[in-house]
Amino acid sequence: RKEVEQDPGPFNVPEGATVAFNCTYSNSASQSFFWYRQDCRKEPKLLMSVYSSGNEDGRFTAQLNRASQYISLLIRDSKLSDSATYLCVVTGAGGTSYGKLTFGQGTILTVHP
Amino acid sequence: EPEVTQTPSHQVTQMGQEVILRCVPISNHLYFYWYRQILGQKVEFLVSFYNNEISEKSEIFDDQFSVERPDGSNFTLKIRSTKLEDSAMYFCASTLREGGRYGYTFGSGTRLTVV
Repeated sequence: RKEVEQDPGPFNVPEGATVAFNCTYSNSASQSFFWYRQDCRKEPKLLMSVYSSGNEDGRFTAQLNRASQYISLLIRDSKLSDSATYLCVVTGAGGTSYGKLTFGQGTILTVHP
Repeated sequence: EPEVTQTPSHQVTQMGQEVILRCVPISNHLYFYWYRQILGQKVEFLVSFYNNEISEKSEIFDDQFSVERPDGSNFTLKIRSTKLEDSAMYFCASTLREGGRYGYTFGSGTRLTVV
């Protein structure tokens, strides 16, 4: 099983649509979880941290289910500017591994007019 | 907004040559990292650095690689004898505290091409 596995995508949606991305991780002791976005040939940029209780930031909602080792990201009212690759990112279990980020392969989202 | 800066943005080198990639992390950050991304593949961890020593390194980070924080602001990655398979985008990252809600800030990367 891959350490971090994401929906293969790509997702191609019209403006205004709602789209959801899923992610699973293999290490049950992982401590922290994030969604990053990456534009073509650019650096990953933090979209949001994911908390156990779920959290929302504007049009973006993230959920974490530790029992199922599952993370999700929901984007409502998609904009053209949301077109990017969305990366599910998990940190290590603790100690010196705590800072090590493990990335999923990413899911490509294209929002069209 | 504070940022992580990396130089150069693009480096072309001949196989077997040494390269040094440079990074200036955010000034009050304490933890520093190098990641790489081969074209079309996922971002991979190379090494983490804290308190002037390596905290953890991946299998990729073999004896050809080294890191240094020579002067309290720069953080460098050296590849001693480059191979074709070292061609990738190299990202530096830093954070104030590991894990939790702080997140990790990435630099814009150095695209290394080994010919």
